[in-house]
Order: sequence, then C-alpha cells, then structure tokens
Amino acid sequence: NAGVTQTPKFQVLKTGQSMTLQCAQDMNHEYMSWYRQDPGMGLRLIHYSVGAGITDQGEVPNGYNVSRSTTEDFPLRLLSAAPSQTSVYFCASSLFGRELPHYGYTFGSGTRLTVV
Amino acid sequence: AQKVTQAQTEISVVEKEDVTLDCVYETRDTTYYLFWYKQPPSGELVFLIRRNSFDEQNEISGRYSWNFQKSTSSFNFTITASQVVDSAVYFCALSEASKAAGNKLTFGGGTRVLVKP
Repeated sequence: NAGVTQTPKFQVLKTGQSMTLQCAQDMNHEYMSWYRQDPGMGLRLIHYSVGAGITDQGEVPNGYNVSRSTTEDFPLRLLSAAPSQTSVYFCASSLFGRELPHYGYTFGSGTRLTVV
Repeated sequence: AQKVTQAQTEISVVEKEDVTLDCVYETRDTTYYLFWYKQPPSGELVFLIRRNSFDEQNEISGRYSWNFQKSTSSFNFTITASQVVDSAVYFCALSEASKAAGNKLTFGGGTRVLVKP
C-alpha cells in the first residue's frame, strides 16, 4: 500500500544510547520531514528535506541528525538519547505548491519513544 | 515565520451540543494552505480539510463545517450535534507549500475535545 512507513512503532532506550528511526515513502514525494509531538505542544518540526541530498533544520533540531540519500528514505538519528527526547515522532511527506494533493501531507503512523 | 494559535486547550461538551474550535494563524505569504487534522485516542493523524488562501469559500461536510476569514487570519472549525466518536485532539496547521519556503507545515498546539454521553 502506498504511503509513509515508520519503524519501529515503539522503542525504549536508555539514556546515552543511539538509534535510528526509519521513514520510507513510495509516492515519489520530494518533501519529507520529521515532527515530534509532546503533550500540549502540538507537532514541532525537527528536520526536513526538499529533495535527495538536501536537508535542513526545523524548530527543534538539537540532538537529532538526518540524511537523505534517496528520494524514498529519510531516517532520523538520535545520537545520544536523553529523557527530554521522550516523545511521539511522526514522519511526513508531500509534493509542493500547486501539486499538493487535496489531503496535503501524508503522515506515518508514528513512533512512540521512551528514554529512561 | 509562520505561527498557528489554538487558544482552547480543552473543550468538554455533552453529546448533541455544537462545538467550535478556534484557529488563528500568522504568515507573510500570500499563498498558503490551511489544514485541520483529527487525532483520535489511537494516535494517528486523520486529515479533515484543506483550505487554499486564494479560495475563501466556506465548506460543510456532514456535521463538520469550516469558516475561513482571511481578514482576521482565522480558520475555525465547528462540529454540529457532537457525538462521542468526535472525542479527539484536533490540530490546525498552516503550510506555505513552496520548495523555496521549505514546504514546512506548522501546527497549532491542538484542542482536546471531550464529548460526554
């Protein structure tokens, strides 16, 4: 099924551990992004990419790295996990401007991360 | 910079009451897109509606209606005759949707709606 696939769905990390959240889309969308959702704060943009080889920081980039070697994949790396990174993470993809479909952005189902 | 404000953090109503969710946005762009998403307790984001800045028609979809007022930078959402299944967190979001602007989607803080039977 076409869409955005995020793995894993749940993860528990110890402080200081590193890990990669995977995000893949099969819709040939140029734009991909990562958000974190914390209670009462909506979704905040961590990093985004407007195409393969191009990434940029969003609102809350500290502690996270991204790369975009292919159009399909946009992994998010936590370098040294901290309790403040406990959150729900969503990956999203879309097209641009007038090519934006009526539903806008396609979201993955989310990854619930707990750092202890 | 884009900003979306949902002043109501939580609204509690009794079933069959109407409920209106407020959304105020800020953007410097003349072309932008506004969205409403629903997040039920299961956690996924469910698309409800998209409104283009260049189309000011209001829209109704079943029990849902949206009032877009460009003059006051507002995009409010009304649920008529609420039902228990409407209990969820609702997000308003804004996008400039251009590659040059980074195509960023900015969310409001969300409004939790609790519909009691």
